Formats: sequence, C-alpha cells, structure tokens
Amino acid sequence: AQTVTQSQPEMSVQEAETVTLSCTYDTSESDYYLFWYKQPPSRQMILVIRQEAYKQQNATENRFSVNFQKAAKSFSLKISDSQLGDAAMYFCAYREAETGANSKLTFGKGITLSVRP
Amino acid sequence: DTEVTQTPKHLVMGMTNKKSLKCEQHMGHRAMYWYKQKAKKPPELMFVYSYEKLSINESVPSRFSPECPNSSLLNLHLHALQPEDSALYLCASGPFGGETQYFGPGTRLLVL
Repeated sequence: AQTVTQSQPEMSVQEAETVTLSCTYDTSESDYYLFWYKQPPSRQMILVIRQEAYKQQNATENRFSVNFQKAAKSFSLKISDSQLGDAAMYFCAYREAETGANSKLTFGKGITLSVRP
Repeated sequence: DTEVTQTPKHLVMGMTNKKSLKCEQHMGHRAMYWYKQKAKKPPELMFVYSYEKLSINESVPSRFSPECPNSSLLNLHLHALQPEDSALYLCASGPFGGETQYFGPGTRLLVL
C-alpha cells in the first residue's frame, strides 16, 4: 500500500522569507501523481500544485514550486516570499495514475505552517 | 471555474434527527467524493461516485447514506448519528480518469 509521510508537524517562517515543506512517499508504481493541498483556518482544501511522476520538470505555480526527486521518493514544496495568507495546514497527497475515477488520494498527516509578521 | 459548493456550512443535529448534506458542481465532472475530516487530521475517504453510480464505499456505517441524483449533485443523508460523527464533511469532484480532485468548502457537523 502507498504511504505518504510528512514528518514535520509544524513549521514557522518569517514573512517574505522562503520555506520548504518536506514530503516522502512509498510506492511500487512508476506512474502516479503528487499534490500539495492547502487548508487555511476556513478549512477549504485548496489545490496548490500537482506533479506528474513521468515529468522530470518540477512544477511551479507563482511563488510555489516543488522539488520532485523520483528515485528518492521525495516531493517537497517551496514557498517563496511567504505571505501572511500562506498560514495554513498543508497536506501532501499521492494518487495512482491508472485507477480511473476510483482515484483514492492518499494523504500525509499534514504540516501546520505559521507566518510571522 | 473549479467551484464545488456545499450546503449547509454548519449543521447541529441531535442523535435522533435526520438531515442531509448537499454538494453541487457544474464543471462536468463525472466523479464525486465524500470525505470526513477531524480537526488537525487528513481527510478520510467515505464514498466515491462514478457516472452517478456508487463505486467505492469505505466501510462507512449505514447511518450515512449517499445519493447521486444527477451528474451535478451529490447528497449525504444522515440518520441516528453519534457524537463521534461530529466532523467536517468535504465533498470533492474530478473529471473521470482525471487526476485532480477539487474540494468544496465543507459542512461542519456537530452531533449532540
């Protein structure tokens, strides 16, 4: 079974600085998708970024980028120029590529990010 | 538009009540999901609907009854719930065969 590990329960970053959130996963599949979701205090789950395993290029979305290391099964999220609105719980998630609509997302335990003004 | 809507936002119910949660999407997605989430925990999958048919039930107690009346709407009927069922209930949708699930804002349920 696939597992997703987020070993750091909490992190803190100064506003305007850069922070990296770690995620590792375990799978025997070669094709899959990885995601970072953000859940602010309002508790809406917001998709931050996604990565296809077959793509070597790391995904980026504005201030958010990932460092995808397939061999190491590592998928970290870098947030540049941190803003107060980035304060939230962040979940790393995994999904197999060939499961069709029965696409179970496997979530990590999440990490709570606080941003200091 | 990647919007999934859920009503109500908050719900308080007694253990003998019957209530329903509603989820709606107009993105043409043919897969819809119900999740349960406790505070500071990741979401737990409850049900998956594919083309309006139930395809996954993650051994959810029968006091939770899902329904998918059409391709845009997903309901979760609640009956005889327990206090431990108090949680945030999230709905999500995604394209059939697509990789990404889009979540609604959730319904905060409190069972007294």
